[in-house]
Amino acid sequence: RKEVEQDPGPFNVPEGATVAFNCTYSNSASQSFFWYRQDCRKEPKLLMSVYSSGNEDGRFTAQLNRASQYISLLIRDSKLSDSATYLCVVNMEYGNKLVFGAGTILRVKS
Amino acid sequence: DAGITQSPRHKVTETGTPVTLRCHQTENHRYMYWYRQDPGHGLRLIHYSYGVKDTDKGEVSDGYSVSRSKTEDFLLTLESATSSQTSVYFCAISESSGQIHDEQYFGPGTRLTVT
Repeated sequence: RKEVEQDPGPFNVPEGATVAFNCTYSNSASQSFFWYRQDCRKEPKLLMSVYSSGNEDGRFTAQLNRASQYISLLIRDSKLSDSATYLCVVNMEYGNKLVFGAGTILRVKS
Repeated sequence: DAGITQSPRHKVTETGTPVTLRCHQTENHRYMYWYRQDPGHGLRLIHYSYGVKDTDKGEVSDGYSVSRSKTEDFLLTLESATSSQTSVYFCAISESSGQIHDEQYFGPGTRLTVT
């Protein structure tokens, strides 16, 4: 089993739609969690950290479910500019080694 | 954006030749990392550094070596490049380790092709 698993998609959605991605992780002792965004042929960029209580940044909401070992990302009112690959990232129990999921492709269409 | 540059940005080389990629940061961050990214895989850690002259192996370190003689520079060397090392290589930095929510920031990447 992969340490971090994501549905690769692609998710094809119209502008204005709400879309949700899930990600599961295998290490129950994982301490921190992130969503990164990666545009085609560019570097990954931090979208948001995921806190135990859940957190929101504008149209983006991230949630963590430790009992089921998954994190989610909800995007409301999708924009064309949201089209990208979204990477689920989990820190291991100690140290600062991040484990990356293979990514979920989102395509927002007009 | 974090001050991270990588050089070269693109390189084509032949099997068996040595290749060195450079990562340079202006953030004075302690931790630096080298990853490779291939289709169908997430980013995979090759090596990382937790200080000058302090390095350790990652998940896919075979065939790679690193050096860090200054805080700002982290070099990745392929001693004898193979076609399986054709990939996109990303450098990343973070401020410290062992901290919860310690984010990493990435350089623009180097696209390496080994023919």
